[in-house]
Amino acid sequence: DGGITQSPKYLFRKEGQNVTLSCEQNLNHDAMYWYRQDPGQGLRLIYYSQIVNDFQKGDIAEGYSVSREKKESFPLTVTSAQKNPTAFYLCASSGQTSGANVLTFGAGSRLTVL
Amino acid sequence: AQSVAQPEDQVNVAEGNPLTVKCTYSVSGNPYLFWYVQYPNRGLQFLLKYITGDNLVKGSYGFEAEFNKSQTSFHLKKPSALVSDSALYFCAVRSQTGANNLFFGTGTRLTVIP
Repeated sequence: DGGITQSPKYLFRKEGQNVTLSCEQNLNHDAMYWYRQDPGQGLRLIYYSQIVNDFQKGDIAEGYSVSREKKESFPLTVTSAQKNPTAFYLCASSGQTSGANVLTFGAGSRLTVL
Repeated sequence: AQSVAQPEDQVNVAEGNPLTVKCTYSVSGNPYLFWYVQYPNRGLQFLLKYITGDNLVKGSYGFEAEFNKSQTSFHLKKPSALVSDSALYFCAVRSQTGANNLFFGTGTRLTVIP
């Protein structure tokens, strides 16, 4: 089945630790995105990538980093600089990089900082 | 600036009754408009989108949405609600020109009461 796989589904982290969330897609999509979801705030864009080896900051990039070394993969690292990292993280991809492109989402990763 | 407003955090409707989930938007130029649905602890799923043309857009699972340019609205509707429609619904907008980012509303939780 084609789709997006995010792992782990649940992750607990101690304060001061970096953690990396995995996102893999087999849809042959060029564009990939990371969103953060908090209750009552909808989805906010962290980073996006329209092509391999290139990515741009979204609205809330501070405290996060990404890489796009392969078309299929777009991992997100939540660093210790992120002041409030507890959230639900969603990865998405799209076959188009502009226009009315529809996003396909993964099932999400829930990060809890203890 | 682009933005989306979903004025109702919660909508309750009886099974079999029509449902409406409201969305208004602000964007430079003409919009692309989207509705996504999210079930508990899952990613978002695409329902429908408006690009141009007919103001009434039909989508998945019997949902439809009406684009109203003068009121800058894109309300989601369904003639007869099912218990299985209970979920979190997100409206999203992108400008057809200018910034390529997709802006999401804060979501509306729909509960269909048996």
